Amino acid sequence: KQEVTQIPAALSVPEGENLVLNCSFTDSAIYNLQWFRQDPGKGLTSLLLIQSSQREQTSGRLNASLDKSSGRSTLYIAASQPGDSATYLCAVRGSSASKIIFGSGTRLSIRP
Amino acid sequence: GAGVSQSPSNKVTEKGKDVELRCDPISGHTALYWYRQSLGQGLEFLIYFQGNSAPDKSGLPSDRFSAERTGGSVSTLTIQRTQQEDSAVYLCASSEARDSYEQYFGPGTRLTVT
Repeated sequence: KQEVTQIPAALSVPEGENLVLNCSFTDSAIYNLQWFRQDPGKGLTSLLLIQSSQREQTSGRLNASLDKSSGRSTLYIAASQPGDSATYLCAVRGSSASKIIFGSGTRLSIRP
Repeated sequence: GAGVSQSPSNKVTEKGKDVELRCDPISGHTALYWYRQSLGQGLEFLIYFQGNSAPDKSGLPSDRFSAERTGGSVSTLTIQRTQQEDSAVYLCASSEARDSYEQYFGPGTRLTVT
């Protein structure tokens, strides 16, 4: 049974710092992994999606990596800004491309 | 183009009543997902529709929960005899059923059972 864990549950850093959010999963037989952000009271916004055959994806100040063998993904945020404050969720899709399991999220706060 | 829409955005109901939540996926997306997010919790998978295949209902928490998808488009999640523990945000997502299967989420329906 796939389990997805995100550590830390909450993180607060000053503006301008680079930071890394972690996502780990127990079953390496995945189809893809997707990172989302969720603002309070809102739905989820897709940030990056990494297919199982890929090692990383980049979009602007965001870079997501995937290491299937170790069951880990990281989301790197460069030069953090207060607008990056949100909850970040990772979601793992199983190899059958059907069921998706979400981590419980990391609540990020960027201090001005 | 239009994203995933959900209605109502908020629903307050009395314990024991039935509720229906609606999801309109992105046009052309054949895969549709329902999730539940309780206060301070992650997303809990409920049900997954893929084209004309039998839905994956493995996440439905009890037989009070059911979902339909008519004509391969709009979906309705029904909760019968609502309980206070059903209070949560119900999120719907859709994706293409090929390539990346990247999910796009609606804004959610906040359900409060009093």
